[in-house]
Amino acid sequence: AQTVTQSQPEMSVQEAETVTLSCTYDTSESDYYLFWYKQPPSRQMILVIRQEAYKQQNATENRFSVNFQKAAKSFSLKISDSQLGDAAMYFCAYRRDHAGNNRKLIWGLGTSLAVNP
Amino acid sequence: NAGVTQTPKFQVLKTGQSMTLQCAQDMNHEYMSWYRQDPGMGLRLIHYSVGAGITDQGEVPNGYNVSRSTTEDFPLRLLSAAPSQTSVYFCASRPFGTSGSYEQYFGPGTRLTVT
Repeated sequence: AQTVTQSQPEMSVQEAETVTLSCTYDTSESDYYLFWYKQPPSRQMILVIRQEAYKQQNATENRFSVNFQKAAKSFSLKISDSQLGDAAMYFCAYRRDHAGNNRKLIWGLGTSLAVNP
Repeated sequence: NAGVTQTPKFQVLKTGQSMTLQCAQDMNHEYMSWYRQDPGMGLRLIHYSVGAGITDQGEVPNGYNVSRSTTEDFPLRLLSAAPSQTSVYFCASRPFGTSGSYEQYFGPGTRLTVT
Protein backbone atom coordinates (compact mmCIF):
# COMPACT_ATOMS: atom_id res chain seq x y z
CA ALA A 1 0.00 0.00 0.00
CA GLN A 2 1.12 3.49 -0.71
CA THR A 3 2.15 5.71 2.19
CA VAL A 4 3.22 9.32 2.50
CA THR A 5 5.50 10.51 5.28
CA GLN A 6 6.18 14.05 6.37
CA SER A 7 8.87 13.79 9.01
CA GLN A 8 8.74 17.41 10.19
CA PRO A 9 5.61 18.13 12.24
CA GLU A 10 6.67 21.77 12.67
CA MET A 11 9.04 24.12 10.89
CA SER A 12 9.79 27.81 11.16
CA VAL A 13 11.46 30.30 8.85
CA GLN A 14 12.37 33.97 8.97
CA GLU A 15 10.50 36.23 6.61
CA ALA A 16 12.30 36.52 3.25
CA GLU A 17 14.33 33.36 3.91
CA THR A 18 14.03 29.98 2.21
CA VAL A 19 12.61 26.86 3.79
CA THR A 20 12.33 23.26 2.59
CA LEU A 21 9.60 20.88 3.71
CA SER A 22 10.28 17.17 3.37
CA CYS A 23 8.02 14.46 2.02
CA THR A 24 8.81 10.85 1.25
CA TYR A 25 6.47 8.24 -0.10
CA ASP A 26 6.38 4.55 -0.66
CA THR A 27 4.93 3.01 -3.80
CA SER A 28 5.57 0.24 -6.25
CA GLU A 29 3.87 2.17 -9.05
CA SER A 30 5.81 3.94 -11.77
CA ASP A 31 3.10 6.37 -12.85
CA TYR A 32 1.66 8.68 -10.26
CA TYR A 33 1.17 12.29 -9.23
CA LEU A 34 2.39 14.18 -6.22
CA PHE A 35 0.84 17.27 -4.71
CA TRP A 36 1.53 19.86 -2.06
CA TYR A 37 -1.51 21.46 -0.46
CA LYS A 38 -1.52 24.45 1.85
CA GLN A 39 -4.03 24.86 4.66
CA PRO A 40 -3.92 28.33 6.24
CA PRO A 41 -5.73 29.14 9.51
CA SER A 42 -8.90 29.69 7.50
CA ARG A 43 -8.81 25.88 7.00
CA GLN A 44 -9.31 26.17 3.22
CA MET A 45 -7.16 23.59 1.42
CA ILE A 46 -5.33 25.12 -1.52
CA LEU A 47 -3.25 23.34 -4.11
CA VAL A 48 0.29 24.74 -4.14
CA ILE A 49 2.03 22.61 -6.72
CA ARG A 50 1.79 19.25 -8.50
CA GLN A 51 4.36 16.95 -10.06
CA GLU A 52 3.88 14.21 -12.62
CA ALA A 53 6.15 11.26 -11.90
CA TYR A 54 6.99 10.79 -15.58
CA LYS A 55 8.44 14.30 -15.76
CA GLN A 56 12.07 14.67 -14.76
CA GLN A 57 11.83 18.43 -14.56
CA ASN A 58 10.92 19.76 -11.14
CA ALA A 59 7.67 21.70 -10.98
CA THR A 60 7.79 25.40 -10.11
CA GLU A 61 5.05 27.86 -9.23
CA ASN A 62 6.41 31.33 -8.51
CA ARG A 63 8.19 31.13 -5.12
CA PHE A 64 7.30 27.46 -4.69
CA SER A 65 9.36 24.69 -6.23
CA VAL A 66 9.86 21.01 -5.62
CA ASN A 67 12.84 18.71 -5.55
CA PHE A 68 11.48 15.47 -6.97
CA GLN A 69 13.80 12.49 -6.58
CA LYS A 70 11.92 9.54 -8.05
CA ALA A 71 14.48 6.88 -7.21
CA ALA A 72 14.67 8.08 -3.62
CA LYS A 73 10.88 8.56 -3.50
CA SER A 74 11.34 12.03 -2.16
CA PHE A 75 9.26 15.12 -2.94
CA SER A 76 10.35 18.17 -0.97
CA LEU A 77 8.81 21.63 -1.23
CA LYS A 78 11.01 24.71 -1.27
CA ILE A 79 9.51 28.07 -0.43
CA SER A 80 11.71 30.99 -1.40
CA ASP A 81 11.45 34.54 -0.07
CA SER A 82 9.03 33.38 2.62
CA GLN A 83 6.14 35.69 3.40
CA LEU A 84 3.93 35.97 6.47
CA GLY A 85 1.04 34.65 4.39
CA ASP A 86 2.93 31.40 3.83
CA ALA A 87 2.29 30.41 7.44
CA ALA A 88 0.06 27.37 7.23
CA MET A 89 -0.11 23.62 7.47
CA TYR A 90 1.37 21.97 4.38
CA PHE A 91 0.27 18.55 3.24
CA CYS A 92 2.01 16.26 0.80
CA ALA A 93 -0.25 13.89 -1.14
CA TYR A 94 0.12 11.05 -3.64
CA ARG A 95 -2.24 9.72 -6.27
CA ARG A 96 -1.65 6.74 -8.53
CA ASP A 97 -2.31 7.13 -12.24
CA HIS A 98 -3.95 3.88 -13.15
CA ALA A 99 -7.34 3.70 -14.82
CA GLY A 100 -10.10 2.76 -12.48
CA ASN A 101 -12.90 4.24 -10.53
CA ASN A 102 -10.86 5.07 -7.49
CA ARG A 103 -7.78 7.25 -7.54
CA LYS A 104 -7.73 8.28 -3.94
CA LEU A 105 -5.29 10.79 -2.60
CA ILE A 106 -2.94 9.40 0.02
CA TRP A 107 -2.07 12.13 2.51
CA GLY A 108 0.85 12.87 4.77
CA LEU A 109 0.14 14.12 8.29
CA GLY A 110 1.24 17.64 7.50
CA THR A 111 3.96 20.11 8.47
CA SER A 112 3.02 23.26 10.34
CA LEU A 113 5.07 26.17 9.01
CA ALA A 114 5.52 29.34 11.06
CA VAL A 115 6.95 32.46 9.43
CA ASN A 116 8.69 34.83 11.80
CA PRO A 117 8.77 38.56 11.00
CA ASN B 1 -18.61 29.81 -9.86
CA ALA B 2 -19.01 29.17 -6.13
CA GLY B 3 -16.73 26.10 -6.20
CA VAL B 4 -17.39 23.69 -3.33
CA THR B 5 -19.74 24.91 -0.64
CA GLN B 6 -20.42 23.31 2.72
CA THR B 7 -23.05 24.03 5.34
CA PRO B 8 -23.07 24.54 8.21
CA LYS B 9 -19.67 26.01 9.13
CA PHE B 10 -20.06 25.06 12.78
CA GLN B 11 -22.33 22.60 14.55
CA VAL B 12 -22.69 21.29 18.08
CA LEU B 13 -24.59 18.05 18.59
CA LYS B 14 -25.49 15.98 21.59
CA THR B 15 -24.60 12.30 21.61
CA GLY B 16 -27.23 10.32 19.75
CA GLN B 17 -28.51 13.19 17.62
CA SER B 18 -28.53 12.95 13.87
CA MET B 19 -27.66 15.53 11.28
CA THR B 20 -26.66 16.00 7.68
CA LEU B 21 -23.64 17.95 6.50
CA GLN B 22 -24.37 19.48 3.14
CA CYS B 23 -21.91 19.70 0.26
CA ALA B 24 -22.50 21.11 -3.19
CA GLN B 25 -20.30 21.93 -6.16
CA ASP B 26 -21.07 23.80 -9.35
CA MET B 27 -18.12 22.66 -11.45
CA ASN B 28 -19.80 19.55 -12.86
CA HIS B 29 -17.22 17.34 -11.17
CA GLU B 30 -17.95 13.63 -11.17
CA TYR B 31 -15.76 12.76 -8.20
CA MET B 32 -16.74 13.97 -4.74
CA SER B 33 -15.47 12.91 -1.37
CA TRP B 34 -15.73 13.53 2.36
CA TYR B 35 -12.75 13.73 4.68
CA ARG B 36 -12.39 14.24 8.36
CA GLN B 37 -9.39 16.04 9.80
CA ASP B 38 -8.20 15.38 13.32
CA PRO B 39 -5.04 16.63 15.05
CA GLY B 40 -2.15 14.27 14.43
CA MET B 41 -4.24 12.11 12.09
CA GLY B 42 -4.14 14.15 8.91
CA LEU B 43 -6.97 13.84 6.42
CA ARG B 44 -8.89 10.59 6.39
CA LEU B 45 -11.31 9.62 3.67
CA ILE B 46 -14.81 8.78 4.88
CA HIS B 47 -16.79 8.15 1.70
CA TYR B 48 -16.46 9.03 -1.93
CA SER B 49 -18.52 9.02 -5.11
CA VAL B 50 -17.49 8.81 -8.76
CA GLY B 51 -20.85 9.95 -10.08
CA ALA B 52 -24.55 10.22 -9.39
CA GLY B 53 -25.87 7.02 -7.90
CA ILE B 54 -22.40 5.62 -7.11
CA THR B 55 -20.82 5.79 -3.67
CA ASP B 56 -18.15 3.80 -1.91
CA GLN B 57 -16.45 3.63 1.45
CA GLY B 58 -13.17 5.23 2.33
CA GLU B 59 -10.88 4.55 5.28
CA VAL B 60 -13.24 5.50 8.12
CA PRO B 61 -16.86 5.00 6.95
CA ASN B 62 -18.41 3.70 10.17
CA GLY B 63 -21.08 5.97 11.61
CA TYR B 64 -21.56 7.88 8.35
CA ASN B 65 -23.86 7.48 5.37
CA VAL B 66 -23.78 9.22 2.02
CA SER B 67 -25.88 9.39 -1.09
CA ARG B 68 -25.37 10.99 -4.49
CA SER B 69 -28.67 11.62 -6.22
CA THR B 70 -27.29 14.47 -8.35
CA THR B 71 -23.88 15.42 -9.70
CA GLU B 72 -23.92 18.61 -7.65
CA ASP B 73 -24.77 17.37 -4.15
CA PHE B 74 -23.08 14.91 -1.82
CA PRO B 75 -24.54 15.06 1.70
CA LEU B 76 -22.93 13.28 4.65
CA ARG B 77 -25.27 11.91 7.31
CA LEU B 78 -24.47 11.14 10.90
CA LEU B 79 -27.25 8.86 12.10
CA SER B 80 -26.37 8.79 15.81
CA ALA B 81 -23.58 11.21 16.67
CA ALA B 82 -20.80 10.10 19.01
CA PRO B 83 -18.06 12.19 20.70
CA SER B 84 -15.52 10.34 18.52
CA GLN B 85 -17.05 12.12 15.54
CA THR B 86 -15.93 15.50 16.84
CA SER B 87 -13.77 16.71 13.98
CA VAL B 88 -13.46 19.09 11.06
CA TYR B 89 -15.15 17.73 7.96
CA PHE B 90 -14.12 18.62 4.44
CA CYS B 91 -15.94 17.95 1.22
CA ALA B 92 -13.89 17.87 -1.97
CA SER B 93 -14.51 17.42 -5.67
CA ARG B 94 -12.56 16.97 -8.87
CA PRO B 95 -13.10 15.81 -12.43
CA PHE B 96 -13.05 12.05 -12.69
CA GLY B 97 -11.53 11.45 -16.09
CA THR B 98 -8.52 9.40 -17.02
CA SER B 99 -5.80 11.62 -15.64
CA GLY B 100 -4.58 11.46 -12.08
CA SER B 101 -3.35 15.01 -12.21
CA TYR B 102 -6.65 16.69 -11.59
CA GLU B 103 -6.62 19.08 -8.69
CA GLN B 104 -9.00 18.34 -5.85
CA TYR B 105 -11.08 21.36 -4.79
CA PHE B 106 -12.01 21.60 -1.15
CA GLY B 107 -14.90 23.20 0.62
CA PRO B 108 -14.29 25.52 3.61
CA GLY B 109 -14.95 22.79 6.16
CA THR B 110 -17.49 22.13 8.90
CA ARG B 111 -16.34 22.07 12.51
CA LEU B 112 -18.49 19.55 14.36
CA THR B 113 -18.49 19.07 18.11
CA VAL B 114 -20.37 16.20 19.72
CA THR B 115 -20.91 16.49 23.46
